[in-house]
Amino acid sequence: ETGVTQSPTHLIKTRGQQVTLRCSSQSGHNTVSWYQQALGQGPQFIFQYYREEENGRGNFPPRFSGLQFPNYSSELNVNALELDDSALYLCASSMGTASYEQYFGPGTRLTVT
Amino acid sequence: KQEVTQIPAALSVPEGENLVLNCSFTDSAIYNLQWFRQDPGKGLTSLLLIQSSQREQTSGRLNASLDKSSGRSTLYIAASQPGDSATYLCAIPSNDYKLSFGAGTTVTVRA
Repeated sequence: ETGVTQSPTHLIKTRGQQVTLRCSSQSGHNTVSWYQQALGQGPQFIFQYYREEENGRGNFPPRFSGLQFPNYSSELNVNALELDDSALYLCASSMGTASYEQYFGPGTRLTVT
Repeated sequence: KQEVTQIPAALSVPEGENLVLNCSFTDSAIYNLQWFRQDPGKGLTSLLLIQSSQREQTSGRLNASLDKSSGRSTLYIAASQPGDSATYLCAIPSNDYKLSFGAGTTVTVRA
């Protein structure tokens, strides 16, 4: 059974640029959630995708957007990068809503300069 | 709105000592509570998920208790080892799609 994978591992971007982060969900899981974790803080919910539809969104601006594909993998896109977007981005997959056990990937470290 | 708090923020113990990590939450109407481990700069590893109908859940040296009426969960790690050094986070589903996390407790086990 393959776990949750994310790519790339690390990324350095310049303010104003755009970035795409990728997540492959665990086999058998149809739900992917994205979280942003700043240094020293707990993860903050960005949004969730369930069967290719956005199922819920946290307090993040529209320049944070996403997609889920028919194989349930997912992308997180961030436009017009700001310095405060520097963080660890985590995705989690599950068999359904947040009440199901969540399995997290290794994360993507994004640095915006 | 569910608020999750973990105190203390950091803990340092000698090897062999038992660890007690606390998680408090404001809304007792929870579905479950999940404990995670996070190594520096890495993703989250699920340790235990305790359902609202359970009082405790055990896995090896780890035991998690849940008291919904007081809004508390405690993670016990028996006979700590240097490899247990990490940040431990608790999380609760706030609704159908979102987990609310505490800020975590960073544990250092001294050899």
